[in-house]
Amino acid sequence: SQTIHQWPATLVQPVGSPLSLECTVEGTSNPNLYWYRQAAGRGLQLLFYSVGIGQISSEVPQNLSASRPQDRQFILSSKKLLLSDSGFYLCAWRDRGTNEKLFFGSGTQLSVL
Amino acid sequence: GEDVEQSLFLSVREGDSSVINCTYTDSSSTYLYWYKQEPGAGLQLLTYIFSNMDMKQDQRLTVLLNKKDKHLSLRIADTQTGDSAIYFCAAERTYKYIFGTGTRLKVLA
Repeated sequence: SQTIHQWPATLVQPVGSPLSLECTVEGTSNPNLYWYRQAAGRGLQLLFYSVGIGQISSEVPQNLSASRPQDRQFILSSKKLLLSDSGFYLCAWRDRGTNEKLFFGSGTQLSVL
Repeated sequence: GEDVEQSLFLSVREGDSSVINCTYTDSSSTYLYWYKQEPGAGLQLLTYIFSNMDMKQDQRLTVLLNKKDKHLSLRIADTQTGDSAIYFCAAERTYKYIFGTGTRLKVLA
């Protein structure tokens, strides 16, 4: 069966520090991968999605970047965090074969102080 | 682009039915979804409906889709305290999933 792993669960970082959040998917190959952000009390904002290794589509211009170095690995990064980067970050995947269901990881709560 | 809207809050008594509503703008969305989020957790897929369907029932959950009005609803029968959570609707189009702001459901004992 397929599983998605996202870490860390909680992260507190100072303003101006770098960021790296990692997400891996097991039990499937060539999935579509996604990063979403949920600000406090707000909905989900699509940040990046990827349909293959090295292919990244950015939805919102911002202080963040994403990379997909391997088929089932998706990384969210920042060189210098801003206060506004605080939020709940969710990784998700979709099986390209079945094409209709999106599954989420458990999320990372990022607090930038 | 796609826009998905929901009311922010809903409060019901235990045992009553809950109806959570959603409107979307892109009529070419292929699938529409309902997700549940409990505090501090990721989103759990509850159910989804293909755009050529009007209704889908899954145990206590009933999804109604009005394509003409671009309106989606989720009905939870016999609502329990464990149903208290945030419910998101989402629309899918060409790899992208656009989510609403979420409706916080509070179930009163």
